[in-house]
Amino acid sequence: QSVLTQPPSASGTPGQRVTISCSGSNSNIGSNTVNWYQQVPGTAPKLLIYNNNQRPSGVPDRFSGSKSGTSASLAISGLQSEDEADYYCAAWDDSLNGRGVFGGGTKLTVL
Amino acid sequence: EVQLVESGGGLVKPGGSLRLSCAASGFTFSTYSMNWVRQAPGKGLEWVSSITRSSGYMYYADSVKGRFTISRDNAKNSLYLQMNSLRAEDTAVYYCAREVAGGLPLDYWGQGTLVIVSS
Repeated sequence: QSVLTQPPSASGTPGQRVTISCSGSNSNIGSNTVNWYQQVPGTAPKLLIYNNNQRPSGVPDRFSGSKSGTSASLAISGLQSEDEADYYCAAWDDSLNGRGVFGGGTKLTVL
Repeated sequence: EVQLVESGGGLVKPGGSLRLSCAASGFTFSTYSMNWVRQAPGKGLEWVSSITRSSGYMYYADSVKGRFTISRDNAKNSLYLQMNSLRAEDTAVYYCAREVAGGLPLDYWGQGTLVIVSS
């Protein structure tokens, strides 16, 4: 049972817009920034969004993040086949003397 | 070029110990907090531990607290994870990752090292 809750799966067709949600609590998303990671199976995760809505250099602007209260969302517009991957949200959690927490991951399928 | 290279994984019996290492290059290691994140086979990412730049603070997941110890040697540009009292549920690929700022944005990851705990 992950501290952050994500839907296990999402899907869309090429060109569509897809959103992935991430639900937490006051001790994590409610009081800290949210990060999103993309992981193609068999490879290391890649930072996609940090500080709720910032993109690292090289990440296309098709990817965007938002946060409201204790929830966050990742949106992918103009879906492409190469976006098929697992997506994870993550944040710092202030409970239990501090710890990192990840969502359970969302497998995105491009139909 | 930033590089993180983990080593030290392998097969170990339940109750045994293992020490993972992460060799960093291409950046000023001493100016970044570092983390260990693991992924059990077919499962999601699990944060394990983090250590601040000068080892002033260490943090652990409840699942490893009291069994794992994170450390670093800034002179050797290296991060370590000492794992004791290993359990089958510790079986995973262990990644080291650089934290670019506070709040767990991990911008560079190693390729991972596989730890298998089995009799």
